[in-house]
Amino acid sequence: DAKTTQPPSMDCAEGRAANLPCNHSTISGNEYVYWYRQIHSQGPQYIIHGLKNNETNEMASLIITEDRKSSTLILPHATLRDTAVYYCIVRVAVRITGGGNKLTFGTGTQLKVEL
Amino acid sequence: EPEVTQTPSHQVTQMGQEVILRCVPISNHLYFYWYRQILGQKVEFLVSFYNNEISEKSEIFDDQFSVERPDGSNFTLKIRSTKLEDSAMYFCASSRLAGVGYNEQFFGPGTRLTVL
Repeated sequence: DAKTTQPPSMDCAEGRAANLPCNHSTISGNEYVYWYRQIHSQGPQYIIHGLKNNETNEMASLIITEDRKSSTLILPHATLRDTAVYYCIVRVAVRITGGGNKLTFGTGTQLKVEL
Repeated sequence: EPEVTQTPSHQVTQMGQEVILRCVPISNHLYFYWYRQILGQKVEFLVSFYNNEISEKSEIFDDQFSVERPDGSNFTLKIRSTKLEDSAMYFCASSRLAGVGYNEQFFGPGTRLTVL
């Protein structure tokens, strides 16, 4: 799976958009970009994923550059409850057998949302 | 909304004792995982399980560890002889198979294992 690089920490004011960047310059054509977050010692939580098109769901938007070497997770109106560590993970699509579906977590970005 | 549950939330044990951590994955999910997170460190993959057998395991998952799906709902992680360094938060996760494309892993709240 491709390596990712994220800033170690970011701050955001409540109500503003939080834009979390991720570099994945070695991504290959069959690898997806996944975002998870972990709120203080809780289990990681899936946020969104994408291959090459921009994606949006009820939690966030994912913007992937045309060359797919980087992406940005956008939380449009951050709240205090969005304070968490955000992980960008790149991996291939699911395999039915033979393993390869593990998630490899890095150190992520600690997002602190403040009043 | 369906969720992964884990019991107990906190387990304290003596070094050398056996522990069993229990998980109930989401009911229509077919892939099951265990991860662990030592305090202040990254979340680490331990093992994945599909169709009643291990699909993949990490170097951490040595002979002291085993997994089982004893019935249609539970998924367990057993540590035969615990060591101090096994102290960590253990997360269970599950995912459905959506065919070609993607899967989302849903994580439980974790079991904090403390080995004394």
